[in-house]
Amino acid sequence: YDLTQPPSVSVSPGQTASITCSGDELGKKYPSWYQQKSGQSPVLVIHESDKRPSGIPERFSGSNSGNTATLTISGTLPMDEADYYCQAWDINTAVFGGGTKLTVL
Amino acid sequence: EVQLVESGGGLVEPGGSLTVSCVGSGFAFSNDWMDWVRQAPGKGLEWVGRIKSKSGGGTAQYAAPVKGRFSISRDDSKNTLYLQLNSLTTDDTGVYYCTRDRPGYNPYFDCWGQGALVTVSS
Repeated sequence: YDLTQPPSVSVSPGQTASITCSGDELGKKYPSWYQQKSGQSPVLVIHESDKRPSGIPERFSGSNSGNTATLTISGTLPMDEADYYCQAWDINTAVFGGGTKLTVL
Repeated sequence: EVQLVESGGGLVEPGGSLTVSCVGSGFAFSNDWMDWVRQAPGKGLEWVGRIKSKSGGGTAQYAAPVKGRFSISRDDSKNTLYLQLNSLTTDDTGVYYCTRDRPGYNPYFDCWGQGALVTVSS
């Protein structure tokens, strides 16, 4: 099972960033999203398609339909610059997307 | 505070073995399913495997690239998760993270350790 993400996305500070993740019938798999800043461990930012863990800013949101899940960052801040990974399960195996490097400039 | 701390990484020759450990604190370790995720240098995240809680059966599942070579175990009396790596190749080089696995229709990883670097090289 493959999850496909764009290698890179650029956004200006204060604008909205959208990162997509595509996979067969992904809309039925309730994916999660992880943020990994340079040199740090990943952090969960969205789980079960659209649920935000406590401590994650409201500017992070998720949606999921059909074959595509989307992580949206509204009012992007420079501190949001990081790699973002989507993740889903397929037959008892966790699968990660290849990751998207978000550049805020 | 939920915390995971790995140890035991290091340099090992191809074909060698190594054990990485992860100590959990701030939560009921024995109740949770735990996973290992790795990251090769400059690459993305790759799931290695998981182990269920004892009440969930205590069995382990593995990703295809490591099945038969890696073994995941746990000692709930020590709040410790283990990853035994055998028959290592250079492709196994990377940072190994332990994670807590939250149940659900699509289980997710809500806490990650700082990672343990495993380098396979002659």
